[in-house]
Amino acid sequence: DTGVSQDPRHKITKRGQNVTFRCDPISEHNRLYWYRQTLGQGPEFLTYFQNEAQLEKSRLLSDRFSAERPKGSFSTLEIQRTEQGDSAMYLCASSPLPVRQGARSTGELFFGEGSRLTVL
Amino acid sequence: AQSVAQPEDQVNVAEGNPLTVKCTYSVSGNPYLFWYVQYPNRGLQFLLKYITGDNLVKGSYGFEAEFNKSQTSFHLKKPSALVSDSALYFCAVRDIVDTGRRALTFGSGTRLQVQP
Repeated sequence: DTGVSQDPRHKITKRGQNVTFRCDPISEHNRLYWYRQTLGQGPEFLTYFQNEAQLEKSRLLSDRFSAERPKGSFSTLEIQRTEQGDSAMYLCASSPLPVRQGARSTGELFFGEGSRLTVL
Repeated sequence: AQSVAQPEDQVNVAEGNPLTVKCTYSVSGNPYLFWYVQYPNRGLQFLLKYITGDNLVKGSYGFEAEFNKSQTSFHLKKPSALVSDSALYFCAVRDIVDTGRRALTFGSGTRLQVQP
């Protein structure tokens, strides 16, 4: 399977613990995104990488959240001192750069199946 | 700022009947528009997109969507619904003007229920 993969698929943790999620994007995709989705809502943007550079962060990304993409391939999303309000599905997506230099990307995202976090 | 509104939480339709799932958007420039579908416990799957050109866009599984600039709408349609179309549908937008905002903004979703 050459799609976006996320690990773990499910994580149950106690309030106050730290958790880390991993995302492996489609191999030729330079751009990587993290979204959060709560029940009954659409995905909410958290952060975006182009290669290893983190270019955009939502104000939803509090200082307890940190994301990295150290070698421009896989990415990790860490949540420190988890709270019950962090319970959600964390979605990773990737997209390629435009084929022609200077062309605009159309922005289509390819999503993984998500990592579901439950904080007790 | 870019935003999307999906005014219906749920749409019910009988199998074989046409379906429409509504979406309106707001961007400062011109939009790129998308529809995604989500089945239970699965990630979002791309259905179709409008970038430029023809206002009627055809996508996967027989779905199509019509871009209407004057009404800032991008409604999803299918001439004949199937029970297997039952899922959660999300509309998304991105402003093509380079505001530095490269991520898509999603609507809150519409649950489509197709009855046999």
